[in-house]
Amino acid sequence: AQSVAQPEDQVNVAEGNPLTVKCTYSVSGNPYLFWYVQYPNRGLQFLLKYITGDNLVKGSYGFEAEFNKSQTSFHLKKPSALVSDSALYFCAVRDRQNQGGKLIFGQGTELSVKP
Amino acid sequence: DTGVSQDPRHKITKRGQNVTFRCDPISEHNRLYWYRQTLGQGPEFLTYFQNEAQLEKSRLLSDRFSAERPKGSFSTLEIQRTEQGDSAMYLCASSLGHLPTEAFFGQGTRLTVV
Repeated sequence: AQSVAQPEDQVNVAEGNPLTVKCTYSVSGNPYLFWYVQYPNRGLQFLLKYITGDNLVKGSYGFEAEFNKSQTSFHLKKPSALVSDSALYFCAVRDRQNQGGKLIFGQGTELSVKP
Repeated sequence: DTGVSQDPRHKITKRGQNVTFRCDPISEHNRLYWYRQTLGQGPEFLTYFQNEAQLEKSRLLSDRFSAERPKGSFSTLEIQRTEQGDSAMYLCASSLGHLPTEAFFGQGTRLTVV
C-alpha cells in the first residue's frame, strides 16, 4: 500500500536556525513528491515539488527539499527559519502510474519557530 | 481572485440532514479533486473528475456521498443523512491536464454535524 510518513508531529526551532521537516514514503516506482503548507483556517498552499532531475529542489519562501531515492525520503529544509514559517506542513506523493494524479498525504508536522 | 473557491466556508448541520458543498476550480483546470481532512490528519482523497467525468472514487466515499461536475466546471459534493463521523474539513483542489503539475487547493468547507 502507498503511504507517506512524517515521523515528527511537531518541530520546534529558534528563529534564524536551520530547520528540517522529515518525510519518508512508500510508493512503487518513482513518485512525484510535493510539500504543502497550511496556515490556520486556510487551505493548503503549494511549496515545492520533485518531478525529475536534480535531487535538490527549491521552492517558495526560501524552502528547499532533497529527494533521496535510496532512503525514500524527501525532507523539507530551510537555512534560516522565520517566525512566520510557523504552520502545519504536509508531504505528499503522487504515483506516476496513476493517471488521475491523486495525492497521498502524510499526517502533517507542526512547525513552531520561536523568536 | 482566480484561485479555487469553496462555499460555504462553514456548515453546521443536525445529524440526519443532507448537506451540499460547492467548489469552483481555477477556470482552465480540467481536473478537480475532493479530499477530506480530520483534525490531526493529512487530507484523504475522496474522488476526482477529469472534465465532467468522475474517474476515481475512494472507498472512503460511502453511498451517502455523491459528487458531480456538470459541464466540467464547478463541482458539488453532497452528503445525505449526515452522521457525526462526517464532521471534517472538505477540501477541493484543481490541476491542469495530465502534466505532473501541482494541485491548487481551496480554503475548504468545515462541516460540523451535531
